Amino acid sequence: DAKTTQPPSMDCAEGRAANLPCNHSTISGNEYVYWYRQIHSQGPQYIIHGLKNNETNEMASLIITEDRKSSTLILPHATLRDTAVYYCIVRTPGKNNAGNMLTFGGGTRLMVKP
Amino acid sequence: DSGVTQTPKHLITATGQRVTLRCSPRSGDLSVYWYQQSLDQGLQFLIQYYNGEERAKGNILERFSAQQFPDLHSELNLSSLELGDSALYFCASSVGTYQNEKLFFGSGTQLSVL
Repeated sequence: DAKTTQPPSMDCAEGRAANLPCNHSTISGNEYVYWYRQIHSQGPQYIIHGLKNNETNEMASLIITEDRKSSTLILPHATLRDTAVYYCIVRTPGKNNAGNMLTFGGGTRLMVKP
Repeated sequence: DSGVTQTPKHLITATGQRVTLRCSPRSGDLSVYWYQQSLDQGLQFLIQYYNGEERAKGNILERFSAQQFPDLHSELNLSSLELGDSALYFCASSVGTYQNEKLFFGSGTQLSVL
């Protein structure tokens, strides 16, 4: 899987947008970008994923650069409950019915402050 | 609630013992994944099953084994337990094995080896 680079930690003021960057300069054309988050010791929670186009859902927006070498997760109005570790993952397609897991890195610890 | 059920939530045992962790995937999901999360290693992929067959293997020790049953639930067996096996063990499920399918994680089993 392509490696990702994320800042280890970030702060954000409550009510403001949180912009979490991710570099994936070795990504291949058929690899998806996924974002998950983990609140305290709960199971990782799916946020959003995309291939080439920008994506938006009820939780967040995903902006992927045109060359696909980096992306940004945007939480439009961060709340205290958004404090978590956010993981950016590049997912490789399985080959010949092989498995297709998610490989987690270190993530970014986002602290939303009042 | 992700729809993935893991039991037990907590498990305390002694070194040298054997334990079984159980996972029920979301209704309709055929793929099951097991992950281990320890403080120093982060989230590590262990193994994936799809419709009863092993599809991918990660950093799973020989003392660990898993299987997926015809009703699609999965069990992770950990034997000859060591202190270092103390960790959170997560199960995840997805519909199939395509890279654009989301993984949904359970709330985990906290294993403490004393």
